[in-house]
Amino acid sequence: DIQMTQSPSSLSASIGDRVTITCRASQSITTYLNWYQQKPGQAPKLLIYGASSLQSGVPSRFSGSGSGTDFTLTISSLQPEDFATYYCQQSYSTPRTFGQGTKVEIK
Amino acid sequence: QVTLRESGPALVKPTQTLTLTCTFSGFSLSTSGMCVSWIRQPPGKALEWLARIDWDDDKYYSTSLKTRLTISKDTSKNQVVLTMTNMDPVDTATYYCARMNAGGAREDYWGQGTLVTVSS
Repeated sequence: DIQMTQSPSSLSASIGDRVTITCRASQSITTYLNWYQQKPGQAPKLLIYGASSLQSGVPSRFSGSGSGTDFTLTISSLQPEDFATYYCQQSYSTPRTFGQGTKVEIK
Repeated sequence: QVTLRESGPALVKPTQTLTLTCTFSGFSLSTSGMCVSWIRQPPGKALEWLARIDWDDDKYYSTSLKTRLTISKDTSKNQVVLTMTNMDPVDTATYYCARMNAGGAREDYWGQGTLVTVSS
């Protein structure tokens, strides 16, 4: 199975900050990388697919980049509604695997 | 619009078999490229992918759980069923079903999840 490792596990940031979350795959997954946002008590929501494509309806302050084994999710200007946990997921092979999550908290 | 809803028991005893049903609308599992996945999340922990069934009846399972899982579909009812045998307290989790469009390789629509507690 492909292992996905996110960093950091948690971070504290202020409204308006630029936030970057990293995800690393244990082998090359080309650009088969998705990012999800999950708020407490809710199902995950797809933000980014194919490493850099923005899902319909997702604000443009979210962006993704990377290929091969190293990927990044960036929030350009953190908003109050962005405080949540973020997960990466590889869709290169089955079984699919998720990272352990990054919790974004208010500083 | 696409919707999915999970249903099943909220409480199961250790060693019992869990049966969960995902009832969906807004797409058909007989359409080429459509798939339904199951994912779970123990309280306070990360997401764990469990299984997937495709429009052509191909089935895929988690490596660590494959001996305990069975996924099936009833296209006429727009339902996907997941069974997990020999339940243990560590299987306590919220179980989600989600649609995957194979062309897009992503789970784009999710149900709200159902919490299953394993306890005697």
